[in-house]
Amino acid sequence: QITLKESGPTLVKPTQTLTLTCTLSEFSGVGVGWIRQPPGKALEWLALIYWNDDKRYSPSLKSRLTITKDTSKNQVVLTMTNMDPVDTATYYCAHTSQQHLGEYYFDYWGQGTLVTVSS
Amino acid sequence: DIQVTQSPSSLSASVGDRVTITCRASQSISRYLNWYQQKPGKAPKLLIYAASSLQSGVPSRFSGSGSGTDFTLTISSLQPEDFATYFCQQSYSFFFTFGPGTKVDIK
Repeated sequence: QITLKESGPTLVKPTQTLTLTCTLSEFSGVGVGWIRQPPGKALEWLALIYWNDDKRYSPSLKSRLTITKDTSKNQVVLTMTNMDPVDTATYYCAHTSQQHLGEYYFDYWGQGTLVTVSS
Repeated sequence: DIQVTQSPSSLSASVGDRVTITCRASQSISRYLNWYQQKPGKAPKLLIYAASSLQSGVPSRFSGSGSGTDFTLTISSLQPEDFATYFCQQSYSFFFTFGPGTKVDIK
């Protein structure tokens, strides 16, 4: 059973940079993704890092996002700059696997962490 | 960007009902389509990947079908624990988008 846990601030001020850490029990599959969900709304994919260090970002948020990994600590870190109240959401990290090339899916999820953006 | 839509946005059903949820992509995505279940306050749970493969541990009353632009999630006999919101997600072209969700509640 693969486990993931998100950690980071619960409250950030507008214009600040958010840094979230995902600690996972093992490096397996193809990588780790970050997904967020504003209260009462749909899921939104943010970024994915593959174990070969390739990275993918949501086109609409690419300029604000950076995803990195620290294999020595079993961690994946997401930073998002210039936070705004509309970024208030629960942020999830998720283990990513694939059946065949391109058939990616998020098979294990962290519990999520609610981040509120407010002055 | 590839967009995905779901229908209906919500539905009311009874225990034992057969439930069908549809997901449509804005362009062909082959079979790069996954389904998740989410209960209030919980993380999403993977049900179906690659359009029709059942995730380990998921009951066989859940099934998925489709390819190209049109996909379906079917619950053959709705159980009390199935009342939840369901999301589809595409992974074509290495970027991922989720559908808006379908809420299944008790009639």
